[in-house]
Amino acid sequence: NAGVMQNPRHLVRRRGQEARLRCSPMKGHSHVYWYRQLPEEGLKFMVYLQKENIIDESGMPKERFSAEFPKEGPSILRIQQVVRGDSAAYFCASSPALGGDTQYFGPGTRLTVL
Amino acid sequence: QKEVEQDPGPLSVPEGAIVSLNCTYSNSAFQYFMWYRQYSRKGPELLMYTYSSGNKEDGRFTAQVDKSSKYISLFIRDSQPSDSATYLCAMGLGNAGTMLTFGGGTRLMVKP
Repeated sequence: NAGVMQNPRHLVRRRGQEARLRCSPMKGHSHVYWYRQLPEEGLKFMVYLQKENIIDESGMPKERFSAEFPKEGPSILRIQQVVRGDSAAYFCASSPALGGDTQYFGPGTRLTVL
Repeated sequence: QKEVEQDPGPLSVPEGAIVSLNCTYSNSAFQYFMWYRQYSRKGPELLMYTYSSGNKEDGRFTAQVDKSSKYISLFIRDSQPSDSATYLCAMGLGNAGTMLTFGGGTRLMVKP
């Protein structure tokens, strides 16, 4: 009965490189959310997706960040041309399709930009 | 002003004490309220979930919501060293599939 899975757990990138973060929701869940946690701060919403659809991306920076949740496979959060300010913990959460408004979080990916 | 305010602590208590953690919020549209526990360098773990004003109890944990005052609390009875973590309150608008708004977290240390 696996929970939300994220990989990699740790990712190191140099400035200008691309970062790809993956999230597999809990079994039976079709809603995926991405949050970012900066050092000493709470979690900030970035984007909410369902299969093949971005539902709400109001928290996502307009440039360099994109997210997808394809019909098959995990959800991907992609950060192009990373900068030092992108260094943070990125958490994915999932919730069930019907009647589910509680969100269950994965272990996170810690991105370090050198 | 942040939408959700939470004292960052740290809050240090002796083992066995009753712990009170609190959040205030400004958006009266929030309909459901959660408490998450986050150990260092781990993901948030859902502890409690409430959908209305009043109290909800689960083992040593009691969640309290006062919508009229826009104030929520989490009480931990008989606190244990293993309760040492950061506690995050979170709030949502009540529709499935909407974002959660988090407080900044309170760091709790329970000393043996």
